[in-house]
Amino acid sequence: NAGVTQTPKFRVLKTGQSMTLLCAQDMNHEYMYWYRQDPGMGLRLIHYSVGEGTTAKGEVPDGYNVSRLKKQNFLLGLESAAPSQTSVYFCASRSSGAGDGSNQPQHFGDGTRLSIL
Amino acid sequence: GDSVTQMEGPVTLSEEAFLTINCTYTATGYPSLFWYVQYPGEGLQLLLKATKADDKGSNKGFEATYRKETTSFHLEKGSVQVSDSAVYFCALVDSGYALNFGKGTSLLVTP
Repeated sequence: NAGVTQTPKFRVLKTGQSMTLLCAQDMNHEYMYWYRQDPGMGLRLIHYSVGEGTTAKGEVPDGYNVSRLKKQNFLLGLESAAPSQTSVYFCASRSSGAGDGSNQPQHFGDGTRLSIL
Repeated sequence: GDSVTQMEGPVTLSEEAFLTINCTYTATGYPSLFWYVQYPGEGLQLLLKATKADDKGSNKGFEATYRKETTSFHLEKGSVQVSDSAVYFCALVDSGYALNFGKGTSLLVTP
């Protein structure tokens, strides 16, 4: 059971470089999310998607872009990396469930540890 | 907006001690509530959930009851083990269908 797979697991970038983090899920989930985790801050939502071809901004979207071209994949892009984006990034997905599906748990990947020098 | 506040850690306990991690929430309506656990170097895993008032979620000896009167969802375990050492997150679902997390409570259980 792969579940939610994030690549890469680690990456070091220089300020101004760009990169894309990939999230893939094999559970046929409609909803997908990108969070960042920083010490003392918990997890904060960057962007999310409620279905293929749709994306929406979360709490901290600045400096990031996302795409959901295929249902199973959710890409997070950094166009011009900044030291403030040094963080651990988590992808999650969940099913739509019955009703609004808000009682459905999210399934998380193991994270991508990103350092910007 | 909706928010979650949980007790700050780190919490250090001896094996077989009783655990309580406090969590209170502010929300319009009655959102589903969750506890997630994060072991070192891993992603978050669902520990338990409750979807309506007075519901009790339970898993692996952990319990939490959805209390609308006190807007709380405290996590408890009667006898902790070294293997329970992890970071615990309380969360609720906000109106945008995403999880709104507390800042996490680190638990260290010593032999």
